[in-house]
Amino acid sequence: EIELTQSPVTLSLSPGERATVSCRARQSSSYFLAWYQQKPGQAPRLLIYDTYKRATGVPARFSGSGSATEFTLTISSLEPEDIALYYCQHRNTWPPLYTFGQGTKLEIK
Amino acid sequence: QVQLVESGGGVVQPGGALRLSCEASGFTLSNYGMHWVRQAPGKGLEWLGVISYDGNNKYYGDSVKGRVTVSRDTAENVLYLEMNSLRGDDTAVYYCAKEVDVYDAVDVWGQGTMVIVSS
Repeated sequence: EIELTQSPVTLSLSPGERATVSCRARQSSSYFLAWYQQKPGQAPRLLIYDTYKRATGVPARFSGSGSATEFTLTISSLEPEDIALYYCQHRNTWPPLYTFGQGTKLEIK
Repeated sequence: QVQLVESGGGVVQPGGALRLSCEASGFTLSNYGMHWVRQAPGKGLEWLGVISYDGNNKYYGDSVKGRVTVSRDTAENVLYLEMNSLRGDDTAVYYCAKEVDVYDAVDVWGQGTMVIVSS
């Protein structure tokens, strides 16, 4: 399994600001990188998969980028409802073993 | 409407075993790979395992490998997770989830079922 490191652990920003969450893989692997949003008491929600593809119904302010070992989730203009935990997920090329990052807590000032 | 509903959680004694079910509706399990993920109280997400869309391949996370089996009943459209030798750090909410594509991310999650390992 590939080790993932997310940063920052906590992010505190004002509405309308740009948020950037990073995910670093210990070794270069597949292009597979997904981002999930989780609100308290809820199951996670898929935001981005295959590094940059937005899942169905996800607002355009969410975008993903990166390659090899460095990946980024960007929220272009924060909305109050974006308060949540955000997790990245990576997968080995083969066998398909998955790993989650430790999570980033997004707070709105 | 695509939906997943887990069941089978509860209190289990240390050293015991569990079998969780995940009933799928709105889609057919034989067309999609399915995953199990858990989350201990106040902690992050931990991937447990996957069964391929054709049911022929199963892969498990290192932390539970050897204690976990993922299976399915395509006639009933139900996914299962069996885990044995349970210990306190297996206490968590267990989620089943459907793949968006083959060995890709998961786009539909159940509501989760809580398992508490305690004597």
